Amino acid sequence: EDQVTQSPEALRLQEGESSSLNCSYTVSGLRGLFWYRQDPGKGPEFLFTLYSAGEEKEKERLKATLTKKESFLHITAPKPEDSATYLCAVFQTGNQFYFGTGTSLTVIP
Amino acid sequence: GAGVSQSPSNKVTEKGKDVELRCDPISGHTALYWYRQSLGQGLEFLIYFQGNSAPDKSGLPSDRFSAERTGGSVSTLTIQRTQQEDSAVYLCASSPGTSGGPRQETQYFGPGTRLLVL
Repeated sequence: EDQVTQSPEALRLQEGESSSLNCSYTVSGLRGLFWYRQDPGKGPEFLFTLYSAGEEKEKERLKATLTKKESFLHITAPKPEDSATYLCAVFQTGNQFYFGTGTSLTVIP
Repeated sequence: GAGVSQSPSNKVTEKGKDVELRCDPISGHTALYWYRQSLGQGLEFLIYFQGNSAPDKSGLPSDRFSAERTGGSVSTLTIQRTQQEDSAVYLCASSPGTSGGPRQETQYFGPGTRLLVL
């Protein structure tokens, strides 16, 4: 069965303490892997799309990487405003999106 | 507005009543998606439209759920005879569409409709 798993479920970091979020997937026919940020009470906000193993994307303190089985979202020197839930989604042939359940990140000042 | 809009933002209804949720996608986006997000759960895919047609209805949880899209723009998700387990946030997203290839598949989400069935 196709599956997207994110870990950890929750992560608490001190401001400036770098870490990584993981998204592992078992779907076949991957057409793209997406990272989103979701703030409470709002819809997800697009961050990155990765299409092939070895690809990397960066935006401010965030860097996303992709292998054949997983993706990492690296957060360097996070700030309190980076606190949010980070969602990973895979786009499969047949126009199916599969979302993980997210990692809730809290950055403490 | 430039983004995806959804209405109503909140809806409280009684068990057994029908509800209609509306989504206005970004102008020019041909693909439209509906998702459901329950408390503490991931996004559950419901249905996808390419233009006015829905090639994939496999995510609709039961025959009480239906959706339509007219004019390649506005979409309505209808839930008949609502049940308490239908309470969730219903999210709509649009994307430019598949004609441009995989790089057109980035989805832009609306703020959601929070449905509470009493």
